Amino acid sequence: EAGVTQSPTHLIKTRGQQATLRCSPISGHTSVYWYQQALGLGLQFLLWYDEGEERNRGNFPPRFSGRQFPNYSSELNVNALELEDSALYLCASSTDYLMTGGGDEKLFFGSGTQLSVL
Amino acid sequence: AQKITQTQPGMFVQEKEAVTLDCTYDTSDPSYGLFWYKQPSSGEMIFLIYQGSYDQQNATEGRYSLNFQKARKSANLVISASQLGDSAMYFCAMREYDYKLSFGAGTTVTVRA
Repeated sequence: EAGVTQSPTHLIKTRGQQATLRCSPISGHTSVYWYQQALGLGLQFLLWYDEGEERNRGNFPPRFSGRQFPNYSSELNVNALELEDSALYLCASSTDYLMTGGGDEKLFFGSGTQLSVL
Repeated sequence: AQKITQTQPGMFVQEKEAVTLDCTYDTSDPSYGLFWYKQPSSGEMIFLIYQGSYDQQNATEGRYSLNFQKARKSANLVISASQLGDSAMYFCAMREYDYKLSFGAGTTVTVRA
Protein backbone atom coordinates (compact mmCIF):
# COMPACT_ATOMS: atom_id res chain seq x y z
CA GLU A 1 0.00 0.00 0.00
CA ALA A 2 1.38 3.38 -0.99
CA GLY A 3 2.18 5.82 1.78
CA VAL A 4 1.70 9.56 1.76
CA THR A 5 3.34 11.02 -1.32
CA GLN A 6 4.47 14.58 -1.76
CA SER A 7 5.69 16.45 -4.79
CA PRO A 8 7.97 17.94 -5.70
CA THR A 9 10.77 16.71 -3.45
CA HIS A 10 12.65 19.96 -3.83
CA LEU A 11 11.46 23.36 -4.97
CA ILE A 12 13.55 26.45 -5.53
CA LYS A 13 11.86 29.81 -5.86
CA THR A 14 12.77 33.46 -5.58
CA ARG A 15 11.27 36.07 -3.29
CA GLY A 16 7.83 37.23 -4.37
CA GLN A 17 7.04 34.12 -6.39
CA GLN A 18 4.34 31.58 -5.63
CA ALA A 19 4.91 27.96 -4.66
CA THR A 20 2.51 25.04 -5.00
CA LEU A 21 3.11 21.85 -3.05
CA ARG A 22 1.09 18.69 -3.54
CA CYS A 23 0.15 15.79 -1.31
CA SER A 24 -1.59 12.49 -1.90
CA PRO A 25 -2.84 10.79 1.27
CA ILE A 26 -2.92 7.10 2.00
CA SER A 27 -5.84 5.41 0.32
CA GLY A 28 -8.87 5.57 2.59
CA HIS A 29 -7.63 8.55 4.57
CA THR A 30 -9.80 11.63 4.43
CA SER A 31 -7.81 14.03 6.61
CA VAL A 32 -4.74 15.87 5.40
CA TYR A 33 -2.49 18.01 7.58
CA TRP A 34 0.26 20.41 6.54
CA TYR A 35 3.22 21.28 8.73
CA GLN A 36 6.19 23.58 8.28
CA GLN A 37 9.57 22.57 9.67
CA ALA A 38 12.18 25.29 9.47
CA LEU A 39 15.81 24.20 9.77
CA GLY A 40 16.58 22.92 13.25
CA LEU A 41 13.10 23.62 14.53
CA GLY A 42 10.06 21.57 15.41
CA LEU A 43 6.96 21.19 13.31
CA GLN A 44 4.58 24.11 13.12
CA PHE A 45 0.98 23.31 12.26
CA LEU A 46 -0.25 25.02 9.10
CA LEU A 47 -3.57 23.58 7.93
CA TRP A 48 -5.93 20.67 8.38
CA TYR A 49 -8.40 19.51 5.74
CA ASP A 50 -11.03 16.84 6.10
CA GLU A 51 -13.67 15.87 3.57
CA GLY A 52 -12.77 18.86 1.44
CA GLU A 53 -13.24 21.39 4.22
CA GLU A 54 -10.63 23.42 6.08
CA ARG A 55 -11.05 22.29 9.71
CA ASN A 56 -8.29 24.18 11.43
CA ARG A 57 -5.56 26.65 10.66
CA GLY A 58 -2.32 27.47 12.40
CA ASN A 59 -0.86 30.86 13.14
CA PHE A 60 0.34 31.67 9.63
CA PRO A 61 -0.43 34.65 7.38
CA PRO A 62 -3.17 34.39 4.72
CA ARG A 63 -0.62 34.00 1.95
CA PHE A 64 -0.42 30.38 3.12
CA SER A 65 -3.50 28.67 1.74
CA GLY A 66 -4.57 25.35 0.42
CA ARG A 67 -7.36 23.11 -0.62
CA GLN A 68 -8.43 19.50 -0.64
CA PHE A 69 -9.79 17.87 -3.75
CA PRO A 70 -12.62 15.33 -4.03
CA ASN A 71 -10.07 12.51 -4.17
CA TYR A 72 -8.70 13.81 -0.83
CA SER A 73 -5.39 14.92 -2.28
CA SER A 74 -4.32 18.36 -1.21
CA GLU A 75 -2.42 21.37 -2.38
CA LEU A 76 -0.58 23.97 -0.32
CA ASN A 77 -0.03 27.35 -1.92
CA VAL A 78 2.37 29.95 -0.63
CA ASN A 79 2.07 33.36 -2.25
CA ALA A 80 4.52 36.25 -2.19
CA LEU A 81 7.35 34.03 -0.97
CA GLU A 82 9.70 35.39 1.66
CA LEU A 83 13.16 34.14 2.58
CA GLU A 84 11.90 32.81 5.92
CA ASP A 85 9.47 30.52 4.11
CA SER A 86 12.43 28.28 3.33
CA ALA A 87 11.64 25.06 5.15
CA LEU A 88 10.65 21.43 4.87
CA TYR A 89 6.90 21.19 4.34
CA LEU A 90 5.44 17.95 5.59
CA CYS A 91 2.06 16.56 4.72
CA ALA A 92 0.34 13.93 6.82
CA SER A 93 -2.87 11.98 6.48
CA SER A 94 -5.13 10.12 8.86
CA THR A 95 -8.46 8.41 8.92
CA ASP A 96 -11.67 10.34 9.45
CA TYR A 97 -11.42 11.75 12.96
CA LEU A 98 -15.10 11.20 13.52
CA MET A 99 -14.89 7.47 12.90
CA THR A 100 -13.07 6.59 16.06
CA GLY A 101 -13.71 9.66 18.13
CA GLY A 102 -10.89 8.62 20.37
CA GLY A 103 -8.37 11.09 19.09
CA ASP A 104 -5.81 8.35 18.67
CA GLU A 105 -5.71 8.49 14.92
CA LYS A 106 -2.10 8.26 13.91
CA LEU A 107 -0.79 10.75 11.43
CA PHE A 108 1.20 9.19 8.63
CA PHE A 109 3.71 11.56 7.13
CA GLY A 110 5.21 11.95 3.70
CA SER A 111 8.88 12.67 3.11
CA GLY A 112 8.23 16.36 2.59
CA THR A 113 8.96 19.07 0.09
CA GLN A 114 12.08 21.10 0.72
CA LEU A 115 11.27 24.65 -0.31
CA SER A 116 14.16 27.04 -0.78
CA VAL A 117 13.48 30.72 -1.33
CA LEU A 118 16.39 32.68 -2.76
CA ALA B 1 2.70 29.15 26.02
CA GLN B 2 4.39 26.02 24.77
CA LYS B 3 2.08 23.03 24.77
CA ILE B 4 4.90 20.50 24.46
CA THR B 5 8.31 20.95 26.06
CA GLN B 6 11.31 18.82 25.27
CA THR B 7 14.23 20.09 27.32
CA GLN B 8 16.98 17.90 25.87
CA PRO B 9 18.25 19.26 22.55
CA GLY B 10 20.64 16.36 22.09
CA MET B 11 21.65 13.12 23.74
CA PHE B 12 24.33 10.50 23.27
CA VAL B 13 23.74 6.88 24.18
CA GLN B 14 25.88 3.79 23.94
CA GLU B 15 24.67 0.98 21.73
CA LYS B 16 22.57 -1.59 23.63
CA GLU B 17 21.86 0.82 26.47
CA ALA B 18 18.51 2.40 27.30
CA VAL B 19 17.76 6.09 26.87
CA THR B 20 14.94 8.24 28.23
CA LEU B 21 13.68 11.25 26.34
CA ASP B 22 11.80 13.82 28.37
CA CYS B 23 8.50 15.38 27.39
CA THR B 24 6.15 17.55 29.43
CA TYR B 25 2.89 18.95 28.17
CA ASP B 26 0.36 21.60 29.05
CA THR B 27 -3.35 21.23 28.53
CA SER B 28 -6.63 21.86 30.33
CA ASP B 29 -8.47 19.45 28.08
CA PRO B 30 -9.42 16.27 30.02
CA SER B 31 -9.22 14.19 26.84
CA TYR B 32 -6.01 14.25 24.88
CA GLY B 33 -3.53 11.99 23.17
CA LEU B 34 0.24 11.89 23.32
CA PHE B 35 2.45 10.68 20.48
CA TRP B 36 6.11 10.14 19.80
CA TYR B 37 7.56 10.36 16.32
CA LYS B 38 11.03 9.64 14.98
CA GLN B 39 12.56 11.69 12.20
CA PRO B 40 15.70 10.21 10.62
CA SER B 41 17.92 12.28 8.40
CA SER B 42 15.74 11.36 5.42
CA GLY B 43 13.08 13.71 6.82
CA GLU B 44 10.10 11.39 7.04
CA MET B 45 8.25 11.34 10.35
CA ILE B 46 7.74 7.81 11.68
CA PHE B 47 5.08 7.07 14.29
CA LEU B 48 6.46 5.24 17.33
CA ILE B 49 3.94 5.12 20.15
CA TYR B 50 0.64 6.55 21.42
CA GLN B 51 -0.78 7.15 24.91
CA GLY B 52 -4.35 8.27 25.55
CA SER B 53 -5.11 10.46 28.55
CA TYR B 54 -7.55 7.88 29.92
CA ASP B 55 -5.27 4.90 29.41
CA GLN B 56 -4.45 3.31 32.75
CA GLN B 57 -1.36 1.51 31.62
CA ASN B 58 1.79 2.85 30.01
CA ALA B 59 1.96 2.19 26.29
CA THR B 60 4.60 -0.13 24.89
CA GLU B 61 5.59 -0.89 21.30
CA GLY B 62 8.52 -3.25 20.98
CA ARG B 63 11.61 -1.47 22.30
CA TYR B 64 9.64 1.72 22.90
CA SER B 65 7.72 2.44 26.06
CA LEU B 66 6.03 5.58 27.25
CA ASN B 67 6.34 6.55 30.90
CA PHE B 68 3.05 8.40 31.42
CA GLN B 69 2.75 10.43 34.62
CA LYS B 70 -0.54 12.26 34.28
CA ALA B 71 -0.37 14.32 37.46
CA ARG B 72 3.04 15.63 36.45
CA LYS B 73 1.94 16.07 32.81
CA SER B 74 4.89 14.04 31.70
CA ALA B 75 5.16 11.55 28.83
CA ASN B 76 8.75 10.37 28.59
CA LEU B 77 9.85 7.96 25.88
CA VAL B 78 12.14 5.09 26.84
CA ILE B 79 14.10 3.33 24.12
CA SER B 80 15.58 0.09 25.36
CA ALA B 81 18.59 -1.70 23.87
CA SER B 82 19.56 1.19 21.61
CA GLN B 83 20.65 0.41 18.07
CA LEU B 84 22.70 2.48 15.64
CA GLY B 85 19.57 2.91 13.54
CA ASP B 86 17.90 4.71 16.43
CA SER B 87 20.03 7.78 15.75
CA ALA B 88 17.47 10.39 14.73
CA MET B 89 15.43 13.33 15.92
CA TYR B 90 12.57 12.42 18.25
CA PHE B 91 9.44 14.51 18.64
CA CYS B 92 6.80 14.43 21.32
CA ALA B 93 3.35 15.59 20.22
CA MET B 94 -0.09 16.11 21.72
CA ARG B 95 -3.56 16.11 20.23
CA GLU B 96 -6.31 18.01 22.03
CA TYR B 97 -9.95 18.73 21.26
CA ASP B 98 -9.08 20.60 18.05
CA TYR B 99 -7.54 17.41 16.61
CA LYS B 100 -4.36 19.01 15.40
CA LEU B 101 -1.04 17.67 16.66
CA SER B 102 1.22 20.11 18.48
CA PHE B 103 4.88 19.13 18.39
CA GLY B 104 7.77 19.81 20.72
CA ALA B 105 11.12 21.12 19.52
CA GLY B 106 12.58 17.63 19.39
CA THR B 107 15.56 15.77 20.84
CA THR B 108 18.43 14.53 18.71
CA VAL B 109 19.63 11.09 19.73
CA THR B 110 23.02 9.82 18.63
CA VAL B 111 23.80 6.18 19.30
CA ARG B 112 27.49 5.36 19.65
CA ALA B 113 28.95 1.96 18.77
